[in-house]
Amino acid sequence: DQQVKQNSPSLSVQEGRISILNCDYTNSMFDYFLWYKKYPAEGPTFLISISSIKDKNEDGRFTVFLNKSAKHLSLHIVPSQPGDSAVYFCAASVSGNTPLVFGKGTRLSVIA
Amino acid sequence: DTAVSQTPKYLVTQMGNDKSIKCEQNLGHDTMYWYKQDSKKFLKIMFSYNNKELIINETVPNRFSPKSPDKAHLNLHINSLELGDSAVYFCASSQVVWGTNEKLFFGSGTQLSVL
Repeated sequence: DQQVKQNSPSLSVQEGRISILNCDYTNSMFDYFLWYKKYPAEGPTFLISISSIKDKNEDGRFTVFLNKSAKHLSLHIVPSQPGDSAVYFCAASVSGNTPLVFGKGTRLSVIA
Repeated sequence: DTAVSQTPKYLVTQMGNDKSIKCEQNLGHDTMYWYKQDSKKFLKIMFSYNNKELIINETVPNRFSPKSPDKAHLNLHINSLELGDSAVYFCASSQVVWGTNEKLFFGSGTQLSVL
């Protein structure tokens, strides 16, 4: 049972353009969401998070949007850079109740 | 200094063998985890320890036994390895247990191949 879904296995974007990575979830109790970035042969590293009390969180070139009614979140990267090429994992949890549940990841390729 | 380190990075072994993966964190965190990334690429939690005490044990075969000698270490021992155990195993740690700002710090992973 996939509670966190990333339906696009891969995405290619031109350098300088916007990258939009999408994530859907099924558990309406989730109230904390994170994005992790993973390079080959390395572990995932934390990128940005958002609590369900917000609908947007921004950190430099990275912005996460949360649409609770649609159970959907997205990660925007503007402008995209070649160094952003990696696998991006969406994760969610119920604070104080469950550990993080991860999606399958989306491989982003930023083309110079 | 590596925050979460796990060894070995690669492990190739025959079916039926017993193997261990070690993990250490120097972040002073109280909680450590083992996650498994299988061929379908999902990262799934296997175990979690808080201050040396087991708090999560997902439906993992009892051939897998975690051991936490202290809160900075969480090792994973696997008995009677099977082909289906082939995966990448990630160790992680966090400061809080499922807190409102839970953020996991991951090791670089151990690629286990069972032949």
